[in-house]
Amino acid sequence: DAGVIQSPRHEVTEMGQEVTLRCKPISGHNSLFWYRQTMMRGLELLIYFNNNVPIDDSGMPEDRFSAKMPNASFSTLKIQPSEPRDSAVYFCASSPRTFSLALNTEAFFGQGTRLTVV
Amino acid sequence: KNEVEQSPQNLTAQEGEFITINCSYSVGISALHWLQQHPGGGIVSLFMLSSGKKKHGRLIATINIQEKHSSLHITASHPRDSAVYICAPDDYNTDKLIFGTGTRLQVFP
Repeated sequence: DAGVIQSPRHEVTEMGQEVTLRCKPISGHNSLFWYRQTMMRGLELLIYFNNNVPIDDSGMPEDRFSAKMPNASFSTLKIQPSEPRDSAVYFCASSPRTFSLALNTEAFFGQGTRLTVV
Repeated sequence: KNEVEQSPQNLTAQEGEFITINCSYSVGISALHWLQQHPGGGIVSLFMLSSGKKKHGRLIATINIQEKHSSLHITASHPRDSAVYICAPDDYNTDKLIFGTGTRLQVFP
């Protein structure tokens, strides 16, 4: 398996533009997570899906952020309109764990998308 | 108050040295992850443990649940170990990972 695949690796966009980040999780994994990493705040969970259903989006900073998972093999994180403070590295991770506190398995991270909003 | 504290924040070592990175946390956990982030930005999961000790090559991770403390050790460190190491406890109540700020390790030849 190629692992978690994110695209693009780098994105530079102008303030106000729509940005779409993409993620392909590892086949067979039930859970998918979107994280944001900045120098100031470190890694933060934005949203996670279990079996394609959003379970917890309390980390999504504003209504400008939205995430979808139309099927088990694809997810998007969209920012519309983008702002300079959205500049960060966005990571997608997938995990075979189900929504159960009894199961603890590793999360596998993608390479990240470095977003710069100018 | 930080729920996860790592020490040291920065660490410089000479090749071959034994390295220890510490992590203390305040929440109840179901497991704890150690992650490695390379200068290129990619994140790799090194260990997930809920008790005792795990070993993988030159890396050893230990956890003491009662003391809410975990350590990551690197034996015979090598320049390719240079990276940021992140401790991430899995909060039992929320089932979410809480991330430490990371320890930046540089190993010089």
